[in-house]
Amino acid sequence: QKEVEQDPGPLSVPEGAIVSLNCTYSNSAFQYFMWYRQYSRKGPELLMYTYSSGNKEDGRFTAQVDKSSKYISLFIRDSQPSDSATYLCAMMGGIQGAQKLVFGQGTRLTINP
Amino acid sequence: DGGITQSPKYLFRKEGQNVTLSCEQNLNHDAMYWYRQDPGQGLRLIYYSQIVNDFQKGDIAEGYSVSREKKESFPLTVTSAQKNPTAFYLCASSIMKWEGQYFGPGTRLTVL
Repeated sequence: QKEVEQDPGPLSVPEGAIVSLNCTYSNSAFQYFMWYRQYSRKGPELLMYTYSSGNKEDGRFTAQVDKSSKYISLFIRDSQPSDSATYLCAMMGGIQGAQKLVFGQGTRLTINP
Repeated sequence: DGGITQSPKYLFRKEGQNVTLSCEQNLNHDAMYWYRQDPGQGLRLIYYSQIVNDFQKGDIAEGYSVSREKKESFPLTVTSAQKNPTAFYLCASSIMKWEGQYFGPGTRLTVL
């Protein structure tokens, strides 16, 4: 079993819809959670990061962490065609020096005009 | 502009050759990382370095080597011992305090 599981999709929704992207994990030591957006043939771009449980909002994006269920989510409101990309979740345990992230395999999202 | 640069963007290698991928950052970050990404898969850690002249193996270090002679630079060599090197290679950097990792644009390596 992988430490981080993410449905690869593809996920296709109409413009303006609310998108929900999710990851589950098995390692209860994970405390830091991130979402990256990756356009085709480009490097990942850090969208949001959260520590421990709770919600964090940034514009149209909301990240949620439920440590009791080992489940994290990214919500995109008022989705735009420019949001079409692969979304990667990543997580790690405590910080001691460098950050050893564990990534999900990514969900490919398409927003249709 | 501060950022991470990787070169070349595309690289072709013949069987049995060693190739070196460049990664440079001007963000004054302490830590640097190399990842490999295969189609439909997440990123897998090859090597990472917290300080100059020190580096550690990641999850898939076999067939790769690195050096960290300068804070700004962390080149990756893909050796002939790496049996399946065709992939997208990503370099990242971070400060030691938690603020996430920042990625370069990547190098796509193809073995001919």
